Amino acid sequence: SQQGEEDPQALSIQEGENATMNCSYKTSINNLQWYRQNSGRGLVHLILIRSNEREKHSGRLRVTLDTSKKSSSLLITASRAADTASYFCATGNTGANSKLTFGKGITLSVRP
Amino acid sequence: KAGVTQTPRYLIKTRGQQVTLSCSPISGHRSVSWYQQTPGQGLQFLFEYFSETQRNKGNFPGRFSGRQFSNSRSEMNVSTLELGDSALYLCASRTRGPDEKLFFGSGTQLSVL
Repeated sequence: SQQGEEDPQALSIQEGENATMNCSYKTSINNLQWYRQNSGRGLVHLILIRSNEREKHSGRLRVTLDTSKKSSSLLITASRAADTASYFCATGNTGANSKLTFGKGITLSVRP
Repeated sequence: KAGVTQTPRYLIKTRGQQVTLSCSPISGHRSVSWYQQTPGQGLQFLFEYFSETQRNKGNFPGRFSGRQFSNSRSEMNVSTLELGDSALYLCASRTRGPDEKLFFGSGTQLSVL
């Protein structure tokens, strides 16, 4: 079963607008990561936030983590048509045999 | 450095056949994970290998198996293929452990007819 659940499932915005995507999870985590996937291709890592961090920035990306609510959000500012893709959150649980568990993803469409 | 390489890119098989997919991780990466991606189920974890040992396994039937060689290259095998095995199979590598990001290959698109 999925650990992370993204919300919304699909998002359509105009170029230049900000896109906010949310992820909720169920169990304790070691870290939370966001990935992007263009149609039919592999995933590309965007950003990683550890469980003891609250906010992280990378270029136009801002991710927050609230461990008390078991949720994270990814903000893409000043979106571009090239940001059109699917976005996934992935949670890394604690323990020696930790694996990354992915949500079902959010489809973002940025209209030029 | 070269990225994660998966071969073949596309495969068409019929029910009952078996298939072997190959993954070459980034040089120096000792961990290789496999995921199955379908429109309905999203990304499902199959297994992870580290230094030739299976370190973790998802909830897939025994028809799905894998191995890792001493050069960190990995293969996964699916026997007695079913229609529901049609999916994009993704391989990902990282240097060591769970606190790191994954580097993905472009995947093998398997169609079972």
